Amino acid sequence: RKEVEQDPGPFNVPEGATVAFNCTYSNSASQSFFWYRQDCRKEPKLLMSVYSSGNEDGRFTAQLNRASQYISLLIRDSKLSDSATYLCVVLGGSYIPTFGRGTSLIVHP
Amino acid sequence: DAGVIQSPRHEVTEMGQEVTLRCKPISGHNSLFWYRQTMMRGLELLIYFNNNVPIDDSGMPEDRFSAKMPNASFSTLKIQPSEPRDSAVYFCASSTSGANTEAFFGQGTRLTVV
Repeated sequence: RKEVEQDPGPFNVPEGATVAFNCTYSNSASQSFFWYRQDCRKEPKLLMSVYSSGNEDGRFTAQLNRASQYISLLIRDSKLSDSATYLCVVLGGSYIPTFGRGTSLIVHP
Repeated sequence: DAGVIQSPRHEVTEMGQEVTLRCKPISGHNSLFWYRQTMMRGLELLIYFNNNVPIDDSGMPEDRFSAKMPNASFSTLKIQPSEPRDSAVYFCASSTSGANTEAFFGQGTRLTVV
C-alpha cells in the first residue's frame, strides 16, 4: 500500500461547480498535512496547510480526519484557473514530505 | 529571494553518458530534497539532506545515482551511466526543519535519455 493515496481523476467539472478530493495516508504517526497545486510542466507549490480543526482559505476548505487517516480538499465555485493537479502531502516524524500522485482537475466553461 | 534554483532546465543526453543536475536551495533552509517525477510513479523522494548531511537515501534507485551537498548553498545529483528509464523531471526542494514547514521547489530539470 502506498503511503499517500489519491484518486488520480481527472475530475471534469463546469465553472461554478463544487468539487471535493480525498486523500488517505498509511502512517498514523504523520504530523503535518498539506495540499499542493501543480500546473502543467511547472513545479508543485503550496496551496494550503491542513489543520486538525479544519481550515478555510477563500473558496478552498481543507479537513483532516486523524481517526480515519484521510484528508480532504473542497473547492467551491470552481474557476477555469483552478484547473491543475492537486497533490496531497504528508510529513512523518522525519519531516520528509511524502506526496500522493495527485488528482487532476479540469474546469470547463 | 530568488527561490530554489536548478540547472539545467532541460537536458538531453545519450544513454551511457554522465548527467549532473545542480541545485541551489533557499538561503537559510537546512533541509534539501531531491525528487523524481514521472507519469507512472508520481513524485518520488530520492534523497534528503539535513544540514548538508544525507539523512535518507533509500529512494536512490541504484548505484548509478549519487548525490552530494558540499555546503549549505549547493547540491548535485549525478547519474552515471544514464539509461532511457531515467528520463523524468527531477525536482530539488528546500525547507526549514520541523513540522508545518513548507517545501519550496525549484523549476525542475527535464531529463531525456535517448
